[in-house]
Amino acid sequence: GEDVEQSLFLSVREGDSSVINCTYTDSSSTYLYWYKQEPGAGLQLLTYIFSNMDMKQDQRLTVLLNKKDKHLSLRIADTQTGDSAIYFCAAYGSGNTGKLIFGQGTTLQVKP
Amino acid sequence: NAGVTQTPKFRVLKTGQSMTLLCAQDMNHEYMYWYRQDPGMGLRLIHYSVGEGTTAKGEVPDGYNVSRLKKQNFLLGLESAAPSQTSVYFCASSYAMGPDQGLFFGEGSRLTVL
Repeated sequence: GEDVEQSLFLSVREGDSSVINCTYTDSSSTYLYWYKQEPGAGLQLLTYIFSNMDMKQDQRLTVLLNKKDKHLSLRIADTQTGDSAIYFCAAYGSGNTGKLIFGQGTTLQVKP
Repeated sequence: NAGVTQTPKFRVLKTGQSMTLLCAQDMNHEYMYWYRQDPGMGLRLIHYSVGEGTTAKGEVPDGYNVSRLKKQNFLLGLESAAPSQTSVYFCASSYAMGPDQGLFFGEGSRLTVL
């Protein structure tokens, strides 16, 4: 079945850019998502990209998709301490059931 | 606007006890899901439902049962709790024709099995 992989931890300084990477295995995934989870809370959708796009920008967030390599990245410009959270990559599963396959989550630590 | 509401938010069980987690959504979503979150493993799908009266197994269904008697509610049951079921459980819902909106998540239910 589909597998989604992420590195577990990233530490950056406030004001730097953060880049969180993700790989997935199912080339038929039509939507790919980035979710943010703050401590003690549920997951909130940050952004998504449709598989026929290779880039999407939304304010400080830039998503890059390399379909050939099945690689997705999330860049956060001018990272702030409020960006400290766990970031999950997810792929829209096959079978039209709406279910998402999630990566392990990347903990982003932003140092002042 | 409540969105997705889970109850209870915290629960401690002894091995062998049973319990039910309730998920309610007020967005008229067709699809509902139960995930569990464990450190370093991300979210894993337990069971899901694509409509009232339907359920299906996800990635890790063993030890759990679910029911979707009403469109707005999705119940997750543990018949005989085991320490391996200590986890944070998340309910989510989505539109059938809205993959661009992703899943809407509840706040989570933290379960500890002693």
